[in-house]
Amino acid sequence: NAGVTQTPKFQVLKTGQSMTLQCAQDMNHNSMYWYRQDPGMGLRLIYYSASEGTTDKGEVPNGYNVSRLNKREFSLRLESAAPSQTSVYFCAIRQGVSADTQYFGPGTRLTVL
Amino acid sequence: AQSVTQLDSQVPVFEEAPVELRCNYSSSVSVYLFWYVQYPNQGLQLLLKYLSGSTLVKGINGFEAEFNKSQTSFHLRKPSVHISDTAEYFCAVTSNSGGSNYKLTFGKGTLLTVNP
Repeated sequence: NAGVTQTPKFQVLKTGQSMTLQCAQDMNHNSMYWYRQDPGMGLRLIYYSASEGTTDKGEVPNGYNVSRLNKREFSLRLESAAPSQTSVYFCAIRQGVSADTQYFGPGTRLTVL
Repeated sequence: AQSVTQLDSQVPVFEEAPVELRCNYSSSVSVYLFWYVQYPNQGLQLLLKYLSGSTLVKGINGFEAEFNKSQTSFHLRKPSVHISDTAEYFCAVTSNSGGSNYKLTFGKGTLLTVNP
């Protein structure tokens, strides 16, 4: 998984609970991304970070917040979880300045009851 | 903005048969194209990518893809599949200008099932 770690691997929440998904890299790359994967929908971008201290919305940001306090870590927070946020969440890093290729972590499987 | 259409949601084939997974994209700017593979309960792994140059791109595990600009397609092929190729395959596109920070737009995936 190209030096990308995600914690936890699995999580079950009740509606309204909050939690933070953690992503860390050991590759010293600037760009990091959060995606969600739902059956039949492919992967959709939630938020991304081009560098430490900067974040931008992706395609489906509602209900999420992110934090990039240092170069190594990019966290995704659900303030009040909803069943619609049941999904598999992937963190990715982008290698290189001019391109191009994103490398993905192993994922976090989240169920909201 | 870009979009990706994977024309088949499921493709069943027999072992040692050839396979083609189809991908069409839409974009108003020049693009980079990717194929990723996801084995059951795992993350995504890069199979191959097209950035520029030769339109025939070779990847890992014997897969190749051909970029066709006029048809806006990037179909994935393998001449002889194995049981171990059973997985979900995702086509993805990004603008090559960098202004979008190389955000990827994914297709919905094609589940390849290889039967004995």
